[in-house]
Amino acid sequence: ETGVTQTPRHLVMGMTNKKSLKCEQHLGHNAMYWYKQSAKKPLELMFVYSLEERVENNSVPSRFSPECPNSSHLFLHLHTLQPEDSALYLCASSQDPTGAGELFFGEGSRLTVL
Amino acid sequence: KQEVTQIPAALSVPEGENLVLNCSFTDSAIYNLQWFRQDPGKGLTSLLLIQSSQREQTSGRLNASLDKSSGRSTLYIAASQPGDSATYLCAAGGATNKLIFGTGTLLAVQP
Repeated sequence: ETGVTQTPRHLVMGMTNKKSLKCEQHLGHNAMYWYKQSAKKPLELMFVYSLEERVENNSVPSRFSPECPNSSHLFLHLHTLQPEDSALYLCASSQDPTGAGELFFGEGSRLTVL
Repeated sequence: KQEVTQIPAALSVPEGENLVLNCSFTDSAIYNLQWFRQDPGKGLTSLLLIQSSQREQTSGRLNASLDKSSGRSTLYIAASQPGDSATYLCAAGGATNKLIFGTGTLLAVQP
């Protein structure tokens, strides 16, 4: 496995379900990110982890809960989501945690909330 | 607050044509400017990264330029091919790990 891997690729959940998105990077990077991509809107930065410490929480609702157990893995736990949370969730990693480095993305997890 | 704009939102060209995609940003205090490609339903693929101290970067048929003073970057694609059809996104990198994205240019190269 190389690069950034996200699972599942597609997820359909009800508003009362609890699910998790998983991201794994095989690049030896120090920083990992969650982005949200909605139709007709720019990518929105949600969370940043640098060296396993959360360094950015971009005013994201508490129904999204990130977890970074080690430098290679990042989770996004989902609970009582709303239909407007339906989007493509993208994970990314970079070597340079200051933000000056190149960003590498996974294929994304397409989330549909019914 | 950094804002990134990409014009045009969509572009259709015949195969073989050279083309330019534009990206503008409001805050010139950037660390870098990155161009990505996104195919439908897929993640983003990094194309070129220009550090703030650089003026341009080249990779194959792609050339990206950066003019911090005017808040602009361009992505030049030479001899376009149908396989170049995708959405092209630019993003301005600043402090505290923030990469601010534009809404992208949807490119269609007609065979």
